Formats: sequence, C-alpha cells, structure tokens
Amino acid sequence: EVQLVQSGAEVKKPGESLKISCKGTGYSFSSYWIAWVRQMPGKGLEWMGIIYPGDSDTTYSPSFQGQVTISADKSITTASLQWSSLKASDTAMYYCARKTGYSSRWFFDYWGQGTLVTVSS
Amino acid sequence: EIVLTQSPGTLSLSPGERATLSCRASQSVSSSYLAWYQQKPGQAPRLLIYDASSRATGIPDRFSGGGSGTDFTLTISRLEPEDFAVYYCQQYGSSPWTFGQGTKVEIK
Repeated sequence: EVQLVQSGAEVKKPGESLKISCKGTGYSFSSYWIAWVRQMPGKGLEWMGIIYPGDSDTTYSPSFQGQVTISADKSITTASLQWSSLKASDTAMYYCARKTGYSSRWFFDYWGQGTLVTVSS
Repeated sequence: EIVLTQSPGTLSLSPGERATLSCRASQSVSSSYLAWYQQKPGQAPRLLIYDASSRATGIPDRFSGGGSGTDFTLTISRLEPEDFAVYYCQQYGSSPWTFGQGTKVEIK
C-alpha cells in the first residue's frame, strides 16, 4: 500500500528555521516525483515545487523560488521542505503528494496527511 | 501562468441531486491535462479525475469529467452524503501547475 507519512505539526517564531518531512512507503520511492503543496488557512491549493528522489532533480514554482528548499534522501525514502527564516505568512498546512507514474502527466495520485506549520511571535 | 477560475464558489444541493461544477482556464490547457480533486474538512485532497475525463482508481462512476480547451466540468450525477466537500481543478498542461480556488458543495 502506497503511503506518504508527514512529520507532525510545528509551532515556530518568525525568523526561525524549519524542516518538515514526508516518508514514502509501499512503492519505489526513487522512481516517483514528490511535490509540495501549500494550503493557507481557509484557502485553496498552491503547488510549491517538485523533486525526483532518484537524482534530486528539483523544480520550483516561480512564486516559491528562493523562499523554500526541497530535498530528498532516497536512502531513507524521505522528502523534505525547509525554510531558513520563517515569516508569519508561512502559516499554512503543507502537503506532500506523489506525481502519477504516467510520464507526461503532472497530477498527484497519493497525498500525505499534511503538516500544519504555525508561525507566531 | 494559467489561471483557473472555478464556479460557482458554493453549490447548495440536496442528496440525490445532480451537481455540475465548472473550471475555466485563462488559456487553453494542452492535451486536456486537467485533474479534479475532492477535499473534505481536515483531510488531504483525493484525486477523482485526470486527463479531464478519466476516473482515478476506486472513484465511483457517479463522478464524471468533461471539457477541453479552456472549459471543463465535473459532474456528480446523484449526490451521496459523503460527496459534500470542496472540489479543486488542477491543470498540468504547462508549468507552473496551478489549481482553481475551489467549489464547495454543501447540503441545502
């Protein structure tokens, strides 16, 4: 069974750093792209970026380029999303999602349960 | 960047009724690369439809998708109690991949 299990909720102060994770099991982790999607409180979904764990090839949405860093460690089948200096506006639910295996289709067939990040002084 | 506009914002219907949701793109979505997701409160999104009209694994046949170019629809033929949720469209015809703002289907 394919599963993406995310790390737990975080409460941080502005300016602090943070790394959240997403562990994939039940499939060949190295062979499927993993995306990160933001959902701000009461709002819709925003694609942030995507990584191929096999070679760490990464693409960011222009809206998030330079704001976050996406990484993956295939040895522990885990993808990560990190911030070097959080802002209050980073408060949101963050989902990881697996891209489908269809080569030219960039939709997401499995999702993690979400990690709630709260940034407040 | 392709902007997706979903309408209506909220759809108030009764169980058993038909729901028709719209997703309009600011420019043509190549190859009808459009997906629909369902999200219930406190849950992650779930894939319903891909390539505009193909149902994902395990999705009941009361869900159907259609459209091409800039206009797409998701139809729920007869609403079940578990279908009341928020629905999002997503285009993957050109990067950056974008989502619509969502349509909430609520119980009337």
